Amino acid sequence: EAGVAQSPRYKIIEKRQSVAFWCNPISGHATLYWYQQILGQGPKLLIQFQNNGVVDDSQLPKDRFSAERLKGVDSTLKIQPAKLEDSAVYLCASSLGQGLLYFGPGTRLTVT
Amino acid sequence: DQQVKQNSPSLSVQEGRISILNCDYTNSMFDYFLWYKKYPAEGPTFLISISSIKDKNEDGRFTVFLNKSAKHLSLHIVPSQPGDSAVYFCAASDGGGGADGLTFGKGTHLIIQP
Repeated sequence: EAGVAQSPRYKIIEKRQSVAFWCNPISGHATLYWYQQILGQGPKLLIQFQNNGVVDDSQLPKDRFSAERLKGVDSTLKIQPAKLEDSAVYLCASSLGQGLLYFGPGTRLTVT
Repeated sequence: DQQVKQNSPSLSVQEGRISILNCDYTNSMFDYFLWYKKYPAEGPTFLISISSIKDKNEDGRFTVFLNKSAKHLSLHIVPSQPGDSAVYFCAASDGGGGADGLTFGKGTHLIIQP
């Protein structure tokens, strides 16, 4: 069974630029999550989708972050404009909805 | 306000001995707890979980203990092996209203010494 796919794996941008990350969940998983992991911290939930609807986006900085999940499968997370403090690993995870999350390898973002 | 706390940033254990990783939580609504293991440049991988209706769950060398009254859980690894060297995250969920995104601790870096 293929795991959660993410791209790109690494991205370096300058502050105020925009960036987008892509995630393809495990086939059949209705629930998709985006997490932000800052160095030395645990992953922090940004947004949760159930199919193509948002379940929880309470911790998403909506002035600069946006996410969508068209057709209830793939998802993209966008940051515009990026700030230095957005440097982190962005993890995508998917689930069958029973609390067990499967994570992708993550995208390491460096904002200079 | 950290709802899941792992107070030991790192732990060094000799190969073959027992590794004990600890986790405390503050949210009494949490009803499902998980441990994830993370290697560098990889995403976290699920290790073991426990529901709040149990106080122990065992899977091979890994055992998780839950003390609800103390809001404390621990992961025991016996015997510890070199491949166990990784960062271990404790995570919790309250599953409320379908929003079952996990809340993670900061992690404990386990180092198994030969």
